[in-house]
Amino acid sequence: SAVISQKPSRDICQRGTSLTIQCQVDSQVTMMFWYRQQPGQSLTLIATANQGSEATYESGFVIDKFPISRPNLTFSTLTVSNMSPEDSSIYLCSVEWPQGVLETQYFGPGTRLLVL
Amino acid sequence: AQSVTQPDIHITVSEGASLELRCNYSYGATPYLFWYVQSPGQGLQLLLKYFSGDTLVQGIKGFEAEFKRSQSSFNLRKPSVHWSDAAEYFCAVGNQGGKLIFGQGTELSVKP
Repeated sequence: SAVISQKPSRDICQRGTSLTIQCQVDSQVTMMFWYRQQPGQSLTLIATANQGSEATYESGFVIDKFPISRPNLTFSTLTVSNMSPEDSSIYLCSVEWPQGVLETQYFGPGTRLLVL
Repeated sequence: AQSVTQPDIHITVSEGASLELRCNYSYGATPYLFWYVQSPGQGLQLLLKYFSGDTLVQGIKGFEAEFKRSQSSFNLRKPSVHWSDAAEYFCAVGNQGGKLIFGQGTELSVKP
């Protein structure tokens, strides 16, 4: 499977600030995904990020709040903007692997965010 | 609309006992089905997946799952639970577009 790393692993932030989360993959992948896991909850898809195109956001998530970059086939960032305590969650990136054959999503270790 | 239901929020089993975690899905076509495990403070690890073919699939760590189309179920089983299996387990359904819909999760506790 692809090896996925995320930075930072955790952070404590003040409300009104922004945090950018990085996701790095050890292989070139077409599709990357960003999920949110609120405390005690399941995972919810925020957006799909394909290299070379704008990210596609799910209902309830907007680009102004969660801007995403996908500059190449191994890297993506998610920014959580103008944070409030409700944004306290685990944010996970995932990738589809292998490419083109019964793709399966593999997840990074997550970024644990606490907003005060 | 696609959905996944995990009826059991929390299950406690004794070490060495058998385990079955339930998962029911709603999906209009042939589903892609997955089980993931999330240990405390960790990300998600894929246990097993079903795309087609044999309805009994084997996964890592001694887990298996059976796809039953008539019951829209994909239950996860393990014959003998180890203390290290204590974790949160998520069932998910996916489509060819790559999106995954997750169930609410089942927290497994293991008694010594």
